Amino acid sequence: GAGVSQSPSNKVTEKGKDVELRCDPISGHTALYWYRQSLGQGLEFLIYFQGNSAPDKSGLPSDRFSAERTGGSVSTLTIQRTQQEDSAVYLCASSSQTRNEQYFGPGTRLTVT
Amino acid sequence: SQQGEEDPQALSIQEGENATMNCSYKTSINNLQWYRQNSGRGLVHLILIRSNEREKHSGRLRVTLDTSKKSSSLLITASRAADTASYFCATRGSSNTGKLIFGQGTTLQVKP
Repeated sequence: GAGVSQSPSNKVTEKGKDVELRCDPISGHTALYWYRQSLGQGLEFLIYFQGNSAPDKSGLPSDRFSAERTGGSVSTLTIQRTQQEDSAVYLCASSSQTRNEQYFGPGTRLTVT
Repeated sequence: SQQGEEDPQALSIQEGENATMNCSYKTSINNLQWYRQNSGRGLVHLILIRSNEREKHSGRLRVTLDTSKKSSSLLITASRAADTASYFCATRGSSNTGKLIFGQGTTLQVKP
């Protein structure tokens, strides 16, 4: 079956612009996660959606970052007024309610110039 | 913030040798997972060990967990050039969240 997909695969934007990153999770997966990976670093948790529960936003680095998950499926991560330090690979993952392992998408490489 | 550290940061071995990577974490956990990443993009889940388990095997992979020392190790036996990748440990803090906290990763190079 189809895995987690993310779009765009690469995004170059100017400092100060807003960007939207999209994630399509595996069909039927109730949990969806966003992580960020800076060059040569590990993954940094950003936000987690589980079913209809309120999302865990504890990892969002500032109020310029927000995310939505519509209809329990597709999610959009929005970064407003981008800064150069926002440059990173943004990874989305999903998992089923009863399983622990997460299935990752290929990521979106964001470059802020 | 990151949960802990992995060592070594980089490891280079010859094909056929074994590779051992270590992971330490700071807080109590529900389970610990190992993931593999090729070329800085998507991660692939390798193996999961629960907090009440001490050792687990999957093919050429062997994972140990020592909760008293808050550490885990991943052993890859009879390594192949295709094992070249970055390996990350990740911890799940409780059963109430699926959020994972990742280590910094170990970059493994297996020379043919």
